[in-house]
Amino acid sequence: DQQVKQNSPSLSVQEGRISILNCDYTNSMFDYFLWYKKYPAEGPTFLISISSIKDKNEDGRFTVFLNKSAKHLSLHIVPSQPGDSAVYFCAASVVGGGADGLTFGKGTHLIIQP
Amino acid sequence: DTAVSQTPKYLVTQMGNDKSIKCEQNLGHDTMYWYKQDSKKFLKIMFSYNNKELIINETVPNRFSPKSPDKAHLNLHINSLELGDSAVYFCASSLGRGTINQFGSGTRLTVV
Repeated sequence: DQQVKQNSPSLSVQEGRISILNCDYTNSMFDYFLWYKKYPAEGPTFLISISSIKDKNEDGRFTVFLNKSAKHLSLHIVPSQPGDSAVYFCAASVVGGGADGLTFGKGTHLIIQP
Repeated sequence: DTAVSQTPKYLVTQMGNDKSIKCEQNLGHDTMYWYKQDSKKFLKIMFSYNNKELIINETVPNRFSPKSPDKAHLNLHINSLELGDSAVYFCASSLGRGTINQFGSGTRLTVV
């Protein structure tokens, strides 16, 4: 039973345009959401997070939006750059009380085309 | 200076063997984890360890056992390796449960 879902295995975007990566979750206990970026043969690198009490968090070119009623979050990257090409994982957790660490989606492979 | 380091990076071994993967973090974090990324690239929690309390994902076979000599280390021991254990194993740490995990670079285990 996948509690965090990323339904797009891959996404291709032109350099300079906006990249939008989507994520859905089913567990209403999740109160913290994160995005990780992963290059081949490396560990996931933390990008940005959002608490369930917020609906938006911005950090430079990266913005995460959270729609709690829809159990949906998205990551916007603008403008997209070639170095953004990587696999992006959405993750969720229950802060403090969860024994399960982070629950990850299956990832979306973002390809930025020049 | 690497925050979460794990060794070895690659490990090839035969079925039935026992092996260990080491993990160390220099971040002063209270919680450490082991995750497994399988052939379908699905990243899944195996264990979390906080203040000598070990919490195990129920799907993990008891051939896998984490050992923590101190707060900065969480090693993974695997007994009687099977073909299906082939995967990439990631160590991670965080300040508290469920917060930002900092990951190591992974250990690719291949069982032949």
